[in-house]
Amino acid sequence: NAGVTQTPKFQVLKTGQSMTLQCAQDMNHEYMSWYRQDPGMGLRLIHYSVGAGITDQGEVPNGYNVSRSTTEDFPLRLLSAAPSQTSVYFCASSTSGHNEQFFGPGTRLTVL
Amino acid sequence: EDKVVQSPLSLVVHEGDTVTLNCSYEVTNFRSLLWYKQEKKAPTFLFMLTSSGIEKKSGRLSSILDKKELFSILNITATQTGDSAVYLCAGPQGGSEKLVFGKGTKLTVNP
Repeated sequence: NAGVTQTPKFQVLKTGQSMTLQCAQDMNHEYMSWYRQDPGMGLRLIHYSVGAGITDQGEVPNGYNVSRSTTEDFPLRLLSAAPSQTSVYFCASSTSGHNEQFFGPGTRLTVL
Repeated sequence: EDKVVQSPLSLVVHEGDTVTLNCSYEVTNFRSLLWYKQEKKAPTFLFMLTSSGIEKKSGRLSSILDKKELFSILNITATQTGDSAVYLCAGPQGGSEKLVFGKGTKLTVNP
């Protein structure tokens, strides 16, 4: 039982490049979410999903896309990376948005 | 807009001290309030407080929810250097599945 896994652990991009952060969970959780964490800002919700085929925006969705084709996977796409997207990204899963969230180990992204 | 506000933002204590961390939660439809501990990695779950569970305790950590005032405190007694971390409070925005976090309290416990 791996829990929530994220790849890659580290990534450096140039401004304008695109990439996908991968997130997978093996707990059969319906709810999955993406957060970014910047110094002094806590965790800010980017997008979330309450089940396969259903996604919605969080607090800071601009510049990011998501899709949820399976229960297990919830990839986050950066369409055209900007330095402001330099951050640590956490994926989480749960039975719902108001229960305990299980977090992945995070991806540290630097955009030059 | 619903929001989660934590105080203080940072706190420095000595080993053995007792600390109280605060979380105020403005929401239109309360369902739960969650506490997490974050060291230099992903947050780890501490407690979930609901209308039917307003007090939780685990070892030296305890938490209480004032449901009327929508205010929660996290107490840590006999602090240890291993308690040094950022403590995060979170709650779902009323009527939605959006879980919103506060900015956290950075606790430093000095030997």
